[in-house]
Amino acid sequence: NAGVMQNPRHLVRRRGQEARLRCSPMKGHSHVYWYRQLPEEGLKFMVYLQKENIIDESGMPKERFSAEFPKEGPSILRIQQVVRGDSAAYFCASSPSEDSVVEQYFGPGTRLTVT
Amino acid sequence: KQEVTQIPAALSVPEGENLVLNCSFTDSAIYNLQWFRQDPGKGLTSLLLIQSSQREQTSGRLNASLDKSSGRSTLYIAASQPGDSATYLCAVNNQAGTALIFGKGTTLSVSS
Repeated sequence: NAGVMQNPRHLVRRRGQEARLRCSPMKGHSHVYWYRQLPEEGLKFMVYLQKENIIDESGMPKERFSAEFPKEGPSILRIQQVVRGDSAAYFCASSPSEDSVVEQYFGPGTRLTVT
Repeated sequence: KQEVTQIPAALSVPEGENLVLNCSFTDSAIYNLQWFRQDPGKGLTSLLLIQSSQREQTSGRLNASLDKSSGRSTLYIAASQPGDSATYLCAVNNQAGTALIFGKGTTLSVSS
């Protein structure tokens, strides 16, 4: 059973470009979480999605960031008009249900560098 | 607002030593607590999950305890090895039982 897959692993974008980060959850998992790890800071929750629904986006910046988890295909975290402050590691996690006692399994992350 | 603190921020020990990493949280109404390991430039590996009704979990040389009333958890590593060198993260579920709230981690270095 493959783990959580994220691609690309490394992404370089110039200021003003768009970044699209992909996350394929573990087989059988229908819940996806995105977290961001800024340099020298802890991981911060961004958004929680189920198939075709955003459940909690309380950690998402109000502008330029969006996320989706379509019925078919991976979850996508999209950052429009990137700025240097968006440079960070973005991690995706998945779980099989919303049960709070269930573990979240993390992917290897996408490291975004904005030049 | 739930806040998670890990002390110390960094720790260096010689191989073979037993050690304890500390995690504290401000709101005791958690659903569960997870300990993770993160190697430089890598993702997170889940080490142990303690449900709110449990007091401890063990896996090999690792033992994690949970004291909800005092808002504390400890990760005990027995007979440390150089391969244990990594950053150890503590995380709790927030009140809604969905997002994990992380501490900033303890970076452990075990010298041979």
